[in-house]
Amino acid sequence: AQKITQTQPGMFVQEKEAVTLDCTYDTSDPSYGLFWYKQPSSGEMIFLIYQGSYDQQNATEGRYSLNFQKARKSANLVISASQLGDSAMYFCAMREGKDSSYKLIFGSGTRLLVRP
Amino acid sequence: DTGVSQNPRHKITKRGQNVTFRCDPISEHNRLYWYRQTLGQGPEFLTYFQNEAQLEKSRLLSDRFSAERPKGSFSTLEIQRTEQGDSAMYLCASSLADWTGVRSPLHFGNGTRLTVT
Repeated sequence: AQKITQTQPGMFVQEKEAVTLDCTYDTSDPSYGLFWYKQPSSGEMIFLIYQGSYDQQNATEGRYSLNFQKARKSANLVISASQLGDSAMYFCAMREGKDSSYKLIFGSGTRLLVRP
Repeated sequence: DTGVSQNPRHKITKRGQNVTFRCDPISEHNRLYWYRQTLGQGPEFLTYFQNEAQLEKSRLLSDRFSAERPKGSFSTLEIQRTEQGDSAMYLCASSLADWTGVRSPLHFGNGTRLTVT
């Protein structure tokens, strides 16, 4: 079964507008972490934001915020005031606390294109 | 913090040849991971090292693949008798095992893009 699902293969957003990238996850582990990464065309994976399953508040990092809805098992990334440099692939990933390797399991990604 | 370094950036090889990739993690990081990423997909976990011990291998890691991390520093990933299906980006990542547990992000290198002709 898919542990991380990103249902939007591609998204467009106008420069300076906000955009939400969807992510749903599946786990029975009460302790887990959710991560978002950005992958520009150059290929590097850039860590953006983290949300823990026990965190009471939604995570924010600058223009990035995470809309964490635990009961729905969703962890959507919100990018405010989009910039041309935000055009990239975005991956949602999960780490389960019971996993002793602490590896991340990734979704299939969403390609975001910011229009000028 | 010089980041995770991977070499080479690109490798083109003929089917049946052996290839070896190198990863130098962030110096104080004791956890090291290899992932494979095909076009349009997310990274898929291959294997994990804690220090020099290889503690987990994915079913994706066939017998033709071998990874090492001598002395718990750099790591190598070797693919023997390459096949066209091995064409992908191979990503290395590292992290620090500390009290933060699930919170610690993986830090990725720029990857090695393998093309098997």
